[in-house]
Amino acid sequence: DTGVSQDPRHKITKRGQNVTFRCDPISEHNRLYWYRQTLGQGPEFLTYFQNEAQLEKSRLLSDRFSAERPKGSFSTLEIQRTEQGDSAMYLCASSLARAGPRIPQNHYGYTFGSGTRLTVV
Amino acid sequence: TQLLEQSPQFLSIQEGENLTVYCNSSSVFSSLQWYRQEPGEGPVLLVTVVTGGEVKKLKRLTFQFGDARKDSSLHITAAQPGDTGLYLCAGSSGAGSYQLTFGKGTKLSVIP
Repeated sequence: DTGVSQDPRHKITKRGQNVTFRCDPISEHNRLYWYRQTLGQGPEFLTYFQNEAQLEKSRLLSDRFSAERPKGSFSTLEIQRTEQGDSAMYLCASSLARAGPRIPQNHYGYTFGSGTRLTVV
Repeated sequence: TQLLEQSPQFLSIQEGENLTVYCNSSSVFSSLQWYRQEPGEGPVLLVTVVTGGEVKKLKRLTFQFGDARKDSSLHITAAQPGDTGLYLCAGSSGAGSYQLTFGKGTKLSVIP
């Protein structure tokens, strides 16, 4: 397994167009996350899946954004009617949830992909 | 809304010097992670701390979680040019949420 893969690495699109990004997590990881990072900022949470179920969505995820994770494997993030403010690095991460005593959530940390850099012109 | 403040925002030092960067919040976190990010790449996990007062060492890097689990520090001994990058702290509140709250990061440059 080579880690978390994201495709494409770069995307330039015209305002108003739709774009779709793909994320392939580490195969044994059951949790998948999407984050967005703009210049000079840390990553901001967008949404989270456990297997195929989308369990959390940020208020940042407007109705133009939709994410899916069919069959609990790869995930896609679609942005409809892109705006210039959507320009950012879109990061995907995965992690493994393990049950156990005194193991807090996110104890094992995330493995991030290299991201998709979106530029809306 | 939980916020993590990182300081300093930028740090430029000579190779061989020691440095400490800080991550502070008014909120309690169930765990806190440190990541390093290079330009055009995703963050890479360095360490997770979960217990108040915990200290973890990773070669020349020493991480500490505050007793009240509201703050953390990263100390680098004898910095090397390979340590250059953006250091991000990220906290998890627990409480049924799996999202991480990230700080804005400290951009470190180590000059040979």
